[in-house]
Amino acid sequence: DTGVSQDPRHKITKRGQNVTFRCDPISEHNRLYWYRQTLGQGPEFLTYFQNEAQLEKSRLLSDRFSAERPKGSFSTLEIQRTEQGDSAMYLCASSLAGSSYNEQFFGPGTRLTVL
Amino acid sequence: GDSVTQMEGPVTLSEEAFLTINCTYTATGYPSLFWYVQYPGEGLQLLLKATKADDKGSNKGFEATYRKETTSFHLEKGSVQVSDSAVYFCALYNQGGKLIFGQGTELSVKP
Repeated sequence: DTGVSQDPRHKITKRGQNVTFRCDPISEHNRLYWYRQTLGQGPEFLTYFQNEAQLEKSRLLSDRFSAERPKGSFSTLEIQRTEQGDSAMYLCASSLAGSSYNEQFFGPGTRLTVL
Repeated sequence: GDSVTQMEGPVTLSEEAFLTINCTYTATGYPSLFWYVQYPGEGLQLLLKATKADDKGSNKGFEATYRKETTSFHLEKGSVQVSDSAVYFCALYNQGGKLIFGQGTELSVKP
């Protein structure tokens, strides 16, 4: 078990470009989460999936953001028409539904810089 | 809505000093409470947890007790080491899927 992996680890893009991030969860975990973390703040929830179903989306997830988990395994987070305010660390986490306290295991994150 | 408030950092201590990082929460019902740690250049790691009132979570010399009467989950360690330098996040899980995090407290331990 190699833990949660994310790709790329760093992304620099120009304002207005589209970017896509990938997350591979721990293999037996059926829940997958996306969070955003800005400098000096704690992670903020964006969305989560149970298997392939997207069960909750934060109001932070504007219509420029879309997340998918087509086969209930890896997930992608796409940001269209990036803005400088999108610069942040994007964290992915996974867990096993039904555990008593929903322990979430985090990946190393993708750091996005929008110029 | 649910929320978590942590003491502001940075906190700077000398090695072997006593550490307290305050955390209070607002939530309906009976949330589970967590401390996560983020070492420089690494991802978030679960440090300890408590799932019901009066539970004490502990790991690596750190402790925190779930106090429902004061809605608190303060992190403590009796003797910090330089290797404990990191950012510490208090978090709660109530319902649905999401964790709700505090803003984080940076700890710097000097030799």
